[in-house]
Amino acid sequence: EAGVTQFPSHSVIEKGQTVTLRCDPISGHDNLYWYRRVMGKEIKFLLHFVKESKQDESGMPNNRFLAERTGGTYSTLKVQPAELEDSGVYFCASSRGRTGWNTEAFFGQGTRLTVV
Amino acid sequence: KNQVEQSPQSLIILEGKNCTLQCNYTVSPFSNLRWYKQDTGRGPVSLTIMTFSENTKSNGRYTATLDADTKQSSLHITASQLSDSASYICVVSEEGDSSYKLIFGSGTRLLVRP
Repeated sequence: EAGVTQFPSHSVIEKGQTVTLRCDPISGHDNLYWYRRVMGKEIKFLLHFVKESKQDESGMPNNRFLAERTGGTYSTLKVQPAELEDSGVYFCASSRGRTGWNTEAFFGQGTRLTVV
Repeated sequence: KNQVEQSPQSLIILEGKNCTLQCNYTVSPFSNLRWYKQDTGRGPVSLTIMTFSENTKSNGRYTATLDADTKQSSLHITASQLSDSASYICVVSEEGDSSYKLIFGSGTRLLVRP
């Protein structure tokens, strides 16, 4: 079974540009999550999809961030326009059921975003 | 505010030695606590998941303990190997509608030297 995969693994962009991150969850996992870690901080929740529906986007920092999951399969996270403080590692995770109690969440390797 | 605090921030031990990592949390109401291992350049990988009723759980050379009364957990690594060098992250979930939101500690960076 393939794990959670993320593309690209690294991205360096200039301030003001647009970047789109992609996440392919484990097949059959309806729940998909985006998390990120900015420099020196802990990993923090961004949002949660169940299939194609956004269940919770309370962790999204501002309206420059847009996440989609058309068709309930892969998800994209677009940052437009990117700012310096957006630099960090963006993780995607998926789970069969909703993460909680004993449900396992599987993480991708992350996308390291550097805004210069 | 729900928080997860870990200590030490970093640790260096010799191969074959044991070590214990600490986690204190203020998350309430508490649902479960997880320990993750994160190798450099990789995503976090789950080691153990414990609910409030579990005091200890093992996964090979990794043993996690939980005291839900004092809101403390520890991860004990026995007979360390070079491949144990990684960040170890304590993660807690709230009980209730937000249980899917994992609340991460900042991790302990462990280096195992030959």
